[in-house]
Amino acid sequence: GDSVTQMEGPVTLSEEAFLTINCTYTATGYPSLFWYVQYPGEGLQLLLKATKADDKGSNKGFEATYRKETTSFHLEKGSVQVSDSAVYFCALTDSGGSNYKLTFGKGTLLTVNP
Amino acid sequence: EPEVTQTPSHQVTQMGQEVILRCVPISNHLYFYWYRQILGQKVEFLVSFYNNEISEKSEIFDDQFSVERPDGSNFTLKIRSTKLEDSAMYFCASGLLRQGNQPQHFGDGTRLSIL
Repeated sequence: GDSVTQMEGPVTLSEEAFLTINCTYTATGYPSLFWYVQYPGEGLQLLLKATKADDKGSNKGFEATYRKETTSFHLEKGSVQVSDSAVYFCALTDSGGSNYKLTFGKGTLLTVNP
Repeated sequence: EPEVTQTPSHQVTQMGQEVILRCVPISNHLYFYWYRQILGQKVEFLVSFYNNEISEKSEIFDDQFSVERPDGSNFTLKIRSTKLEDSAMYFCASGLLRQGNQPQHFGDGTRLSIL
């Protein structure tokens, strides 16, 4: 079945540091890939998405590129802020399945210190 | 911006009791989902719902679970006889289109604690 594996946390960085959170996937079809973010006390919010190979999703300074050859969708940000502290979830929906349910990774807790 | 709302934010229930978690999806959305996250584990799909019927359910969604859209605005998840292992954060989500490249919109979740 489908699965998503992402970097175990927690990740602690200083403000303005470079962020990478690794994400790899397995899927039976041709998936769409997503990063969701959960700020403290809030629900899951879509951060960015990519729907085909070599697409780059970007939002709020975060980027991730759909790499079919390595089945990866790593999240990056060049300079993190304290307000980026949250849990980040990599997820996919699989065109080979029905109803496009989301399959999530375990989540990575990011803490950014001033 | 329209949002998915869930109530209550925290529910504490005795084991064996019934619990109903409520969700109000975004008004023009057609596809509805429940997910759960046991503490420290992955967010897991439970069930999807379209056109007043379940369209897919996971192995987790056994006979003790049911979903309903009773009045065209609410979307509820009922757990008939709760067990300790049902303690989790439950997320409702809705989507306008059933396409893989379209995002689902999530509520803030209900934290269910079974004692």
